[in-house]
Amino acid sequence: DTEVTQTPKHLVMGMTNKKSLKCEQHMGHRAMYWYKQKAKKPPELMFVYSYEKLSINESVPSRFSPECPNSSLLNLHLHALQPEDSALYLCASSPRSRGVPYNEQFFGPGTRLTVL
Amino acid sequence: AQSVTQPDIHITVSEGASLELRCNYSYGATPYLFWYVQSPGQGLQLLLKYFSGDTLVQGIKGFEAEFKRSQSSFNLRKPSVHWSDAAEYFCAVGDSGNTPLVFGKGTRLSVIA
Repeated sequence: DTEVTQTPKHLVMGMTNKKSLKCEQHMGHRAMYWYKQKAKKPPELMFVYSYEKLSINESVPSRFSPECPNSSLLNLHLHALQPEDSALYLCASSPRSRGVPYNEQFFGPGTRLTVL
Repeated sequence: AQSVTQPDIHITVSEGASLELRCNYSYGATPYLFWYVQSPGQGLQLLLKYFSGDTLVQGIKGFEAEFKRSQSSFNLRKPSVHWSDAAEYFCAVGDSGNTPLVFGKGTRLSVIA
């Protein structure tokens, strides 16, 4: 299995809803990432998990809450979002591990989130 | 700090014509360089990567890129463009440490008949 899967593909939620995005990979990668991407812009890094521990949080508002239950799974819990949070949310993984000197990332297809 | 510049926001090419997308990076040590392609509403797909060795790297879909240290460039090329190549192309730079990838702003490629 050489892909990253994301569910759902599309999500519409109100500002008071709680929802979760899910990302899964079975490539044995030990680093996983959440990105936010607005139209016609590059991906913006949100969070990085390395060996199931949060290693980078790019000053993301607390209404986004990441979780890495195991080495294959990454969740992003959403609560009280704003309309400006509407975007494509991309998950990625990389084989980065101790002593491996590169950072090649494999991306999932994304979840298109619309906040009403 | 690392940075990536893609000077061209939008390029239009005729089908069958050659293509070159420019990428310049700023990084003190040996960079790890990547080109990704993104079709509308899709995730990013890795086209090719450079870590070390031969400075001309071959990728998927007939793409190649050449690393030129003296020019701090990693330009993407394709000899004959197909209509299906129309997409957004991102150049990215990383390193051997724990810093995340830095992406350029992207170049949108349009292909006309």
